[in-house]
Amino acid sequence: NAGVMQNPRHLVRRRGQEARLRCSPMKGHSHVYWYRQLPEEGLKFMVYLQKENIIDESGMPKERFSAEFPKEGPSILRIQQVVRGDSAAYFCASSPPSRGRTGELFFGEGSRLTVL
Amino acid sequence: GDSVTQMEGPVTLSEEAFLTINCTYTATGYPSLFWYVQYPGEGLQLLLKATKADDKGSNKGFEATYRKETTSFHLEKGSVQVSDSAVYFCALAILTGGGNKLTFGTGTQLKVEL
Repeated sequence: NAGVMQNPRHLVRRRGQEARLRCSPMKGHSHVYWYRQLPEEGLKFMVYLQKENIIDESGMPKERFSAEFPKEGPSILRIQQVVRGDSAAYFCASSPPSRGRTGELFFGEGSRLTVL
Repeated sequence: GDSVTQMEGPVTLSEEAFLTINCTYTATGYPSLFWYVQYPGEGLQLLLKATKADDKGSNKGFEATYRKETTSFHLEKGSVQVSDSAVYFCALAILTGGGNKLTFGTGTQLKVEL
């Protein structure tokens, strides 16, 4: 009964490289959320996806960031041409459709991106 | 926009001490309120919630009451244990059919010592 799985747990990139973060939701969950936690700040909503659809991307930076949740496979958060300001912990969460209105999200352990 | 303000940590207590972690919020609509907890090395997990004014959420000895008049949702526990050491996040959401878009506070680290 695995929880939300994120990988890699730690990722180091140099400026200008690409970062790909993966999230496998809990079994039976079709809703995925990505949050970012910058140092000394709370978790900030980035994007909400269902299978093959982006439902709400109001928290995503307009450039260099993209997210997908394909029919098969994990959700992927992609950051192109990373800059030092992208260094943060990126958390994925999932929920089943029935919990969509309760506020209960199930979080992964996070992926910590460090940009040198 | 919506926001959540929590007391800064770390909070260090002796075992069996009384805990209060303050949380206040601002919201444009009528939010539901949550406390999430993150134990070392784990993801966040829901601790308790309240969906309307004067509701009290409770779990594992923790309680919080939704106070609309003071826009607060303070977390309390009468007697903390070492195992309660974690980071606690207050959050709000305007729950609609669009899913769970939570707004979090910055988190308060709690350290409980013997």
